[in-house]
Amino acid sequence: EVQLVQSGAEVKKPGESLRISCKGSGYSFTNYWISWVRQMPGKGLEWMGRIDPSDSYTNYSPSLQGHVTISADKSISTAYLQWSSLKASDTAVYFCARLRRGSGSYFSRDFDYWGQGTLVTVSS
Amino acid sequence: QSVLTQPPSVSGAPGQRVTISCTGTSSNIGAGYHVHWYQQLPGTAPKLLIYDNSNRPSGLPDRFSGSKSGTSASLAITGLQAEDEADYYCQSYDSSLSAYVFGTGTKVTVL
Repeated sequence: EVQLVQSGAEVKKPGESLRISCKGSGYSFTNYWISWVRQMPGKGLEWMGRIDPSDSYTNYSPSLQGHVTISADKSISTAYLQWSSLKASDTAVYFCARLRRGSGSYFSRDFDYWGQGTLVTVSS
Repeated sequence: QSVLTQPPSVSGAPGQRVTISCTGTSSNIGAGYHVHWYQQLPGTAPKLLIYDNSNRPSGLPDRFSGSKSGTSASLAITGLQAEDEADYYCQSYDSSLSAYVFGTGTKVTVL
């Protein structure tokens, strides 16, 4: 059974650093890209970026480039989302999701499995 | 901001049919990238509902169907049930942004 299990909820202060994790199991971790998706309170889904765990190649949403870092350790089938300096506006639920290639072009992929979400609260 | 536009809400009585539109542009849906749909129940992670424009994952009831034409796509729910009350999102890829994009989201209410 494919599973993505995320780390638990975090409460941080502005300016602090944070790394949250997403562990995959039940499939070959290096065969699928992993993405992070943000959902701010009461808002919709926002794609943040993705990583190819086989070679750690990443690309980010233009609006978030430089503010977060996505990484992966394929030896333990785990992807990470990291901030060096949190802001109050980073308060959100963060989901990891597996990107699956379908029948279309190279980038025509869907998110077929999702983690349970990690609530990050940033408040002074 | 989202580049795929959906109506904020749709509603229907049990048993009725509702449709949700997803309007994009020539750099995403109109460029030929597939559209996928997700259902998000309150307090839970999104769940894949339709992939590659019109395909259902195994085990999903055939009350849900998807279609795509030009720069738009739509999701139809027939035989509306109380458990269909949720938020629904479309998703595609945008070549101008080099990014995966989600729709603005639609809340379905069963009257």
